[in-house]
Amino acid sequence: DGGITQSPKYLFRKEGQNVTLSCEQNLNHDAMYWYRQDPGQGLRLIYYSQIVNDFQKGDIAEGYSVSREKKESFPLTVTSAQKNPTAFYLCASSIGTAEQFFGPGTRLTVL
Amino acid sequence: AQSVTQLDSHVSVSEGTPVLLRCNYSSSYSPSLFWYVQHPNKGLQLLLKYTSAATLVKGINGFEAEFKKSETSFHLTKPSAHMSDAAEYFCVVSDLSNTDKLIFGTGTRLQVFP
Repeated sequence: DGGITQSPKYLFRKEGQNVTLSCEQNLNHDAMYWYRQDPGQGLRLIYYSQIVNDFQKGDIAEGYSVSREKKESFPLTVTSAQKNPTAFYLCASSIGTAEQFFGPGTRLTVL
Repeated sequence: AQSVTQLDSHVSVSEGTPVLLRCNYSSSYSPSLFWYVQHPNKGLQLLLKYTSAATLVKGINGFEAEFKKSETSFHLTKPSAHMSDAAEYFCVVSDLSNTDKLIFGTGTRLQVFP
């Protein structure tokens, strides 16, 4: 059963902590993406990767970091430098210029 | 630069009546356009896409959209709303400077009343 999985579904972070959000896909897609969604706003691109061992900053990369060591995996780390990390985070994947397929999301809350 | 504007942040309809969600785009060239749907606390699902083929695009769940270049519009319609259509809808355009990137509208929340 192909698709994109994100874990955990809910995540709580204390001030000053780094946390890592997992994203895995078994669709054999080359490209993967991380988005942030805030209430009443569209999705904003954090980072994207078009190929293994390569990634580019999106529109709001400050305070975030990623890695792409495997084609199937694209984890996102929310660092303590991100001053307002509470949001819904969505991972997606695609083949080239085709439509993007989305995971179910992770809701991050800062305590 | 490409952009999309969703003209209504909220739309309310009665079950069984037509749905119209409006979207205008800005692009120097003929873009690729998409409509995605998001149910509460879920990921996004593709409803339909336009990629310079037929201007009337049919999608899943009875939705369709018409690409009108002269009006720079890509409105989403459905003849008869169902309670399960209540969700957030996003109009999306591809970034021609980097066609791996998508640019999202701010979303339209559709409410369906019985």
